[in-house]
Amino acid sequence: GAVVSQHPSWVICKSGTSVKIECRSLDFQATTMFWYRQFPKQSLMLMATSNEGSKATYEQGVEKDKFLINHASLTLSTLTVTSAHPEDSSFYICSASGQGGVRVAFFGQGTRLTVV
Amino acid sequence: DQQVKQNSPSLSVQEGRISILNCDYTNSMFDYFLWYKKYPAEGPTFLISISSIKDKNEDGRFTVFLNKSAKHLSLHIVPSQPGDSAVYFCAAASGTYKYIFGTGTRLKVLA
Repeated sequence: GAVVSQHPSWVICKSGTSVKIECRSLDFQATTMFWYRQFPKQSLMLMATSNEGSKATYEQGVEKDKFLINHASLTLSTLTVTSAHPEDSSFYICSASGQGGVRVAFFGQGTRLTVV
Repeated sequence: DQQVKQNSPSLSVQEGRISILNCDYTNSMFDYFLWYKKYPAEGPTFLISISSIKDKNEDGRFTVFLNKSAKHLSLHIVPSQPGDSAVYFCAAASGTYKYIFGTGTRLKVLA
């Protein structure tokens, strides 16, 4: 399957700082990328849909000013957690789609964020 | 409102036997269904998918069955292997790549 790379795989930051997570599609152009969040022993919750060259679409209850998403190119989307707080600690995962019309999205390896 | 449900949080199966993981959905607009396998602290890995125009899709040891009238799909793994031990998520989509995930079922294959 297609390769989606997410970086960093884990990060620890101080409360009040911002953290940027990158999601890259390595071998195809991703017209759409998705950002998910997973709490321990729970499902993957869709946070936002990121479309190249346009504003992201956020799911209900997700603060767009807190979770900034930028999809500047067909191979890169970034999620910035601004003014992070301990409750933002979670596992964040991106997925990318757009490979030849195939309706399968491929996921990055995830980022474990811990805010202390 | 949980549109995609996996009612069994865990399942244990003996090596070599069949594993059956179930998933129910409520939204009749879903037209594409997928199964992903996930290990802790890793992203999901795509296993198999099925379009709503089909009722079965097979890929090696993995078969997905779709019963649209019951709004139910299942993943069959046969024969089960210890390496299959992971959390399995079903996901559904309606016309887009936007997936709604189930809550996952932890499969443990006993050697």
